[in-house]
Amino acid sequence: AQKVTQAQTEISVVEKEDVTLDCVYETRDTTYYLFWYKQPPSGELVFLIRRNSFDEQNEISGRYSWNFQKSTSSFNFTITASQVVDSAVYFCALSVFSQGGSEKLVFGKGTKLTVNP
Amino acid sequence: DAGVTQSPTHLIKTRGQQVTLRCSPKSGHDTVSWYQQALGQGPQFIFQYYEEEERQRGNFPDRFSGHQFPNYSSELNVNALLLGDSALYLCASSLDWEETQYFGPGTRLLVL
Repeated sequence: AQKVTQAQTEISVVEKEDVTLDCVYETRDTTYYLFWYKQPPSGELVFLIRRNSFDEQNEISGRYSWNFQKSTSSFNFTITASQVVDSAVYFCALSVFSQGGSEKLVFGKGTKLTVNP
Repeated sequence: DAGVTQSPTHLIKTRGQQVTLRCSPKSGHDTVSWYQQALGQGPQFIFQYYEEEERQRGNFPDRFSGHQFPNYSSELNVNALLLGDSALYLCASSLDWEETQYFGPGTRLLVL
């Protein structure tokens, strides 16, 4: 069965610190996608990144970077020089395809990040 | 470019009642998925609609049903509400051939 584990329930850092959010996934599929979403207190899930299973190249977008390692089934997310506006719950998700080709997302339980001034 | 919209934003119901939640997908998207997010948990997949048909369903009872209209908007209906149905209900839209789902702001349902 497909599963996503975010072992860190809550993380608290001081502004300008770097922070890494861990994500470990389980799937038997050879083709899959991994995602990170941000959920601020307002509740809306904001898409951050999608990575397919054939692309292990790390990605950097501004202060955000992602490290995908198939060997350890991990897709970790690092925020460099954190800011108060980064405070939110972050979810890692795995796409699961049905026989009909449709896709659903399986989410981890999320990591609540608090960045203190 | 309008994003995903949902209505209402908040709703209070009592046990046994029925509720209908609405979702308009992002412009150009044809697929709508619904998720339930209990407090402190990750979203759980309810079902997905494409071409006005339910294409995939998660582990939710038949009390949860849906509909997709020709303009791709969608409704989620929940009958015989239980206290445990209290949650944030999220709608996500995508383009069939593309894998990224974009979420709306959600509807917070409280069942008393």
